[in-house]
Amino acid sequence: AQSVTQLDSHVSVSEGTPVLLRCNYSSSYSPSLFWYVQHPNKGLQLLLKYTSAATLVKGINGFEAEFKKSETSFHLTKPSAHMSDAAEYFCVVSEASGGYQKVTFGIGTKLQVIP
Amino acid sequence: NAGVMQNPRHLVRRRGQEARLRCSPMKGHSHVYWYRQLPEEGLKFMVYLQKENIIDESGMPKERFSAEFPKEGPSILRIQQVVRGDSAAYFCASSPPIALDNEQFFGPGTRLTVL
Repeated sequence: AQSVTQLDSHVSVSEGTPVLLRCNYSSSYSPSLFWYVQHPNKGLQLLLKYTSAATLVKGINGFEAEFKKSETSFHLTKPSAHMSDAAEYFCVVSEASGGYQKVTFGIGTKLQVIP
Repeated sequence: NAGVMQNPRHLVRRRGQEARLRCSPMKGHSHVYWYRQLPEEGLKFMVYLQKENIIDESGMPKERFSAEFPKEGPSILRIQQVVRGDSAAYFCASSPPIALDNEQFFGPGTRLTVL
């Protein structure tokens, strides 16, 4: 069985400072991992994905994440927060199960960016 | 190539009415997934369908909810006799028959409000 734990439900940073959103996962097999962003009352936008290639994954809008198998982590980072980054972020694990992809979402982390 | 389309984007129903949510997958995608996002929560899996078949409905409430994906036309999520607790955002995702990277592609969602 797979699961995702987003360790912080809310994160608050000042504009221009680094962002760290933490995610730990558990999976029986080699999973694919994703980060999605959701702005208020909007749909889901894919930020980046890990699919067993490079462990450091670069995404859109300056975000990146590092897959660390030994720590079962996939934390999302950005060197410098922008006001437009204020949104909710979901860590997602996906693995093949019973012939199809089983996707599990974390509960989400709300990022607040303070001017 | 148009993305996953959902309509309506917003739906208001009174208690006891029926809600029908539609999802048109991306071209070439034959797998459809429905998720529900309750206020202040992450997305929860509801049902997975392939053309004319329900593959996994383990996340569907036992009563009032049903889903279909006919040979022709969009996938439909149907909620009968809606109650206030059904108010949520409902997201559809699709994937091709052989999904590279285990990625699902999400639609913009339908926000259901039950008065």
